[in-house]
Formats: sequence, structure tokens, C-alpha cells
Amino acid sequence: QQQVKQSPQSLIVQKGGISIINCAYENTAFDYFPWYQQFPGKGPALLIAIRPDVSEKKEGRFTISFNKSAKQFSLHIMDSQPGDSATYFCAASLSAGGTSYGKLTFGQGTILTVHP
Amino acid sequence: NAGVMQNPRHLVRRRGQEARLRCSPMKGHSHVYWYRQLPEEGLKFMVYLQKENIIDESGMPKERFSAEFPKEGPSILRIQQVVRGDSAAYFCASSPFGGANSPLHFGNGTRLTVT
Repeated sequence: QQQVKQSPQSLIVQKGGISIINCAYENTAFDYFPWYQQFPGKGPALLIAIRPDVSEKKEGRFTISFNKSAKQFSLHIMDSQPGDSATYFCAASLSAGGTSYGKLTFGQGTILTVHP
Repeated sequence: NAGVMQNPRHLVRRRGQEARLRCSPMKGHSHVYWYRQLPEEGLKFMVYLQKENIIDESGMPKERFSAEFPKEGPSILRIQQVVRGDSAAYFCASSPFGGANSPLHFGNGTRLTVT
């Protein structure tokens, strides 16, 4: 019940295209859904996050879409650039209570390659 | 404004040896988390600590693994009698407080290789 399933495992997109990564969760108590970007040899960095009271959040070229009834959320990268090539992780957690907040359940990751 | 500092970046140990991984959180952060990343997998939560206290160690293996975050100095993740299956990247993250609106800041990890 604590799993977060992410797809696809890898994704190749041409420069300027749209990259779409999907995640599905099981625990309906999750109420915080961040996306992390990780470059080789680096730690994950928070990209964008959403709470289930909104269906979409946009920051620059990055958009999270959230479907509470389907228990799914996705990351859209518009106008993808070669510099976006990295591994992307979705995650979920319970924000209620201080001890749960940082206890993220991560998806398996998507390796994004953007060709020039 | 230094980020989360982890050292060493790479650590090689032979089976049966001890591994000590250190994490200095960002300035002003009193909450530390340790995560483990196996090859081609997502990160898995191990333990959550505040200064001098272990708050949640539900992700720690029952044996050989321990963590501390003393009043002074870095947080330490200790693995005794390492085995090949312990080979992974270990990431530390910190936050200024627990609860909502406190995103995690990750270090660049320690890559442990057990030979």
C-alpha cells in the first residue's frame, strides 16, 4: 500500500518536445507529491510539488497534473531541452504530523534523454 | 550558504569491515534523513533524526545499521560488518523543521562499494 509506481523507465525526447512521466500511488492518505530531478553523481533536487487540493501546478516549463480519483499524477516538461536530461523521481508522503513529512516514498525513476 | 555536505563521496570496504558515513546538514537545519539508493532503483527511506534523537528508524535494517545525530557534529550512519548487498549510494537530506512546507535538501551522497 506504500508503493509509488513510475513509468516509463526511460524516455527519449527531441529538443522542443514534451516529456511526460507518470506515477500512480496506492495509499489514499498520501497528501504531498513532489518531483525530484537527479543528475549523475548528484543528490536529488526538488523540482516541483503538489498537494491534492489542486489538480494542476505549473512552474515555468514544468507542470504537475494530479488526478485524485485515479490516484495518479504526472510531470510534464514543455519545450524539453538537452539540459533537462536527468533522472526524474516522483514521490509521495503524508504531511500530517512532523515525523511523517520527510519520509518520502519514491518511484523507481525515469531516465530522460533529450536529443538536440 | 553551503548545502548538505556528505563525506566521503566514495567509500570502499571489504566484507566484514565497518563503514561510517557522515552528513552535515544545512546551516539552521535540525532534521536529518538518510535514504539508500540501490542501482537503478528509487531512494528508500532509512531513518529520521533530530538532534540527539532518533524519531523514525522504520526503514533501517534490524542488524548492523545504526544512526546518530549528536548535539555537536555531523550525523553518522554506521554499517558494521558490511556485506556486498550493502553496496549502494547513501543520501542524507536535511530540513529546517518537520511537517508541512519543509522540503528536503539532499546531499550528493556517499557511494559505498563492498568488495
